Amino acid sequence: GIQVEQSPPDLILQEGANSTLRCNFSDSVNNLQWFHQNPWGQLINLFYIPSGTKQNGRLSATTVATERYSLLYISSSQTTDSGVYFCAVSGGGADGLTFGKGTHLIIQP
Amino acid sequence: DVKVTQSSRYLVKRTGEKVFLECVQDMDHENMFWYRQDPGLGLRLIYFSYDVKMKEKGDIPEGYSVSREKKERFSLILESASTNQTSMYLCASSLVGSTQYFGAGTRLSVL
Repeated sequence: GIQVEQSPPDLILQEGANSTLRCNFSDSVNNLQWFHQNPWGQLINLFYIPSGTKQNGRLSATTVATERYSLLYISSSQTTDSGVYFCAVSGGGADGLTFGKGTHLIIQP
Repeated sequence: DVKVTQSSRYLVKRTGEKVFLECVQDMDHENMFWYRQDPGLGLRLIYFSYDVKMKEKGDIPEGYSVSREKKERFSLILESASTNQTSMYLCASSLVGSTQYFGAGTRLSVL
């Protein structure tokens, strides 16, 4: 099956800093999603981005499908951005997602 | 907004009990999924369904079964709960080839 690797595993930043989270995947995908898991365990959709670039406020994401990686950018970090960020991919329309291990982000005031 | 509702946030069961976890979505999605999340192992797919009465095994189906009698409802069944099934269970739904939306999760403890 598809392998997903996220880096870095942990990241500690000061409020206001920018960050880049990376997701590498081992095969062609037709679904790639970024999630933020809140402290109560809910997975919040950030982006559906199998290719291209998208932006939503302070967050943006880019997927380069030909090189099998995706990047999540967080600008002007706030303490509420803390949590675990997951990248997940699938290779088929009805297939379940394969998740990376996540990046644990801590934003300090 | 898409809503995926899981029937319980927290559940405590005894070893050997039959356990039902229910998931309902309100967006007429064809696909529904069950995952479990464990520290150090991440999120893993248990089962998914692409249509009523259809099911496919995911990566870790052992010890579980599923039921999808109506399009909006997907149930995960633990026939005889065991302590190694203590976990966070997450349900999701999607249109074919599109964004998966997740419920709030059920934290199951099997004692």
